[in-house]
Amino acid sequence: EAGVAQSPRYKIIEKRQSVAFWCNPISGHATLYWYQQILGQGPKLLIQFQNNGVVDDSQLPKDRFSAERLKGVDSTLKIQPAKLEDSAVYLCASSSYAGAMEETQYFGPGTRLLVL
Amino acid sequence: GIQVEQSPPDLILQEGANSTLRCNFSDSVNNLQWFHQNPWGQLINLFYIPSGTKQNGRLSATTVATERYSLLYISSSQTTDSGVYFCAVGVTGANSKLTFGKGITLSVRP
Repeated sequence: EAGVAQSPRYKIIEKRQSVAFWCNPISGHATLYWYQQILGQGPKLLIQFQNNGVVDDSQLPKDRFSAERLKGVDSTLKIQPAKLEDSAVYLCASSSYAGAMEETQYFGPGTRLLVL
Repeated sequence: GIQVEQSPPDLILQEGANSTLRCNFSDSVNNLQWFHQNPWGQLINLFYIPSGTKQNGRLSATTVATERYSLLYISSSQTTDSGVYFCAVGVTGANSKLTFGKGITLSVRP
């Protein structure tokens, strides 16, 4: 089966610009996650969707970050305006559904963002 | 929130050697996963192991939930095992957020 797809793979922008990332989860996976991974650290959850509803966005900087999953399938994450500290890898993951017996998360290749 | 500590932070092995990677966590969890992040940044799930022992080829993992730790064993290491190993924990349910440790960087030399 196809894995989690993300685009673009790399993005370089200047501070105060806006940027958007796209994620298509594994087919049939109800739960979708966006993580931020800063160099040298583990991934940090930004937002979790169950179908098209938000389950957890407690660590999402809502003044500049937004995310949507309108049809319960693919998702977009937007940053506007970007700051230097947003330079990181943005990872998308999916799992079959929260509460499953085995909630293995499958990760996409990530989008590497550099803010200058 | 849950605290996750991994040790050692860095590990250098000669090809063919064995190693043990440790993950300690601060609260009760029923979701624990080990991941390998390869040098190109791809995160691969190795084990879903909230308790007990599992084996997959040269890799095995054991979680003792009551004592709040998990171990990942790598036997007969290969250069392709190089990368960063993450332990992530959480509580299964509607809000099944995983908290990741800082990772263990493994370098296997030929």
